[in-house]
Amino acid sequence: GDSVTQMEGPVTLSEEAFLTINCTYTATGYPSLFWYVQYPGEGLQLLLKATKADDKGSNKGFEATYRKETTSFHLEKGSVQVSDSAVYFCALSLVGAQKLVFGQGTRLTINP
Amino acid sequence: DAEITQSPRHKITETGRQVTLACHQTWNHNNMFWYRQDLGHGLRLIHYSYGVQDTNKGEVSDGYSVSRSNTEDLPLTLESAASSQTSVYFCASRDSGDTDTQYFGPGTRLTVL
Repeated sequence: GDSVTQMEGPVTLSEEAFLTINCTYTATGYPSLFWYVQYPGEGLQLLLKATKADDKGSNKGFEATYRKETTSFHLEKGSVQVSDSAVYFCALSLVGAQKLVFGQGTRLTINP
Repeated sequence: DAEITQSPRHKITETGRQVTLACHQTWNHNNMFWYRQDLGHGLRLIHYSYGVQDTNKGEVSDGYSVSRSNTEDLPLTLESAASSQTSVYFCASRDSGDTDTQYFGPGTRLTVL
């Protein structure tokens, strides 16, 4: 079945460090890929998305590129801030399926 | 502004009791979803609906039911609460014409003693 695998957390970095959170997927078709972020005590918010191979999603300094050849959608940010501390979820949705399949989430903590 | 709300935000109940969690959205979205969030599992789909009178089972639907009598609401019912249903529950909605983006409510933390 369709699935998403994220790097295990928690991840702890210092402010201004470079961030990578790995995400790989398995899907029978050609999915859309997403990163959602969950700040403490809140629901999930869409961070960025990409709908086809080689697309790059970007938002708030975060980027992720849809790599069909490696079935990956790694999240990156060049210089993290304390305010980026949150749980990050990678997810996929097959065209027409309308449902999201989530990875297990990666908790990120940024220390000043 | 349009939004999606959940109530209650926190609930403590006892094993065997029936519990209903409310979800209300004002976007007029056709598609609505219920997920549970557990450590190490991410979010797992419980039930979903593509419109009024339509309901479908997700991957962890046992012990849960939903009904969709109007566009705005999708209440989730635990028929006989079990300790294994202690979790954080999220409701989400999506416009059927949108390219896959779901909008999430703030969550309900349910504890079953």
